[in-house]
Amino acid sequence: EPEVTQTPSHQVTQMGQEVILRCVPISNHLYFYWYRQILGQKVEFLVSFYNNEISEKSEIFDDQFSVERPDGSNFTLKIRSTKLEDSAMYFCASSQDRNPTYEQYFGPGTRLTVT
Amino acid sequence: GDSVTQMEGPVTLSEEAFLTINCTYTATGYPSLFWYVQYPGEGLQLLLKATKADDKGSNKGFEATYRKETTSFHLEKGSVQVSDSAVYFCALRLILRYRDDKIIFGKGTRLHILP
Repeated sequence: EPEVTQTPSHQVTQMGQEVILRCVPISNHLYFYWYRQILGQKVEFLVSFYNNEISEKSEIFDDQFSVERPDGSNFTLKIRSTKLEDSAMYFCASSQDRNPTYEQYFGPGTRLTVT
Repeated sequence: GDSVTQMEGPVTLSEEAFLTINCTYTATGYPSLFWYVQYPGEGLQLLLKATKADDKGSNKGFEATYRKETTSFHLEKGSVQVSDSAVYFCALRLILRYRDDKIIFGKGTRLHILP
């Protein structure tokens, strides 16, 4: 069964450094999402992406964050200058369509630790 | 705003006990409702879903019925197993406008089953 993959599974970085989290969505999907989960807390929506542009973003997704689909298969989340509070599990998701019958499929997540 | 409220955890039960995890929602519009499960150290897996009122989602012995009149989507299982120990997230998905498609999660309920 097709699945969303994410790399790396765990990233450790120092405060102020840039990180890029990578996702490979399911191949025929057109809608892409990032969510994050701070340890012990709920999963929060960050951003949705369609047709090479951001469809919607949350208040969390400030100027330090950016997303890109550089080559038609990868979908990346970049954090320009990481802060301690960016430490979280980041989940990528993809969906074939916005119709409610098409679910969002989640990847296994990347655990980001900022020291 | 749109939100999901689910019962606080942790919930500790003995094997073969009956499980109920309460979930209520607030939404502008007509959401689809989901239960996701997160096993220790893993990502989010869709457990079950319902897309319209009175629909019953079911999977692996778990059930939940979409109750529009009470805005609820309670998760139930008749006889839990140790392997059901995980965190369970109630969630809703709203697709209102072209640019509005995201999943809103509850805070999660940690379930611990004793042998």
